[in-house]
Amino acid sequence: DAGVTQSPTHLIKTRGQQVTLRCSPKSGHDTVSWYQQALGQGPQFIFQYYEEEERQRGNFPDRFSGHQFPNYSSELNVNALLLGDSALYLCASSFSGGLKAYEQYFGPGTRLTVT
Amino acid sequence: GQQVMQIPQYQHVQEGEDFTTYCNSSTTLSNIQWYKQRPGGHPVFLIQLVKSGEVKKQKRLTFQFGEAKKNSSLHITATQTTDVGTYFCAGKAINAGNNRKLIWGLGTSLAVNP
Repeated sequence: DAGVTQSPTHLIKTRGQQVTLRCSPKSGHDTVSWYQQALGQGPQFIFQYYEEEERQRGNFPDRFSGHQFPNYSSELNVNALLLGDSALYLCASSFSGGLKAYEQYFGPGTRLTVT
Repeated sequence: GQQVMQIPQYQHVQEGEDFTTYCNSSTTLSNIQWYKQRPGGHPVFLIQLVKSGEVKKQKRLTFQFGEAKKNSSLHITATQTTDVGTYFCAGKAINAGNNRKLIWGLGTSLAVNP
């Protein structure tokens, strides 16, 4: 049973550039959430996708956008990168039914460095 | 705003000692989850608590949800070096309606001396 996968593992970008991160959810899961985790901090919720729509959003600017595909996989796009966007980006999947909707299974993350 | 405080922020123990981390919410929660993140790793789901006063055990780990559903604790008996990591709690506010966003604590980092 494949867990949550993310690509790429590491990424180095320059200020002002754009980046796309990818996530495939755990088998049987239909909901994908994205988090940003700075070094030594807890995960910060960016947004959640369900049925190909953004269902919930945290306090992140519009430079952060996403997409969910019919196969439940998801992308996170960040435009006009800033140095402060350097972080570990985590994708978490869950199943939308009942209480299990809150049990989140995380991927290994993408380490983004902006120079 | 709604927030979840976790204490202590750091804990350093000798292997074999017990460890407890506490999670206190400013608002009543409908559920709470606990996650463990090893250094350099990603958060791993440990457990979810839903009922008032609920207690669940996983081997040496004991999880509790307070009667008022505003606090929770994770207790590890006889710590081992494999317990090293940061433990996060995350919960959904009971008054959040259909908002599925979890409120995360800042985590407790556990170091274990062999």
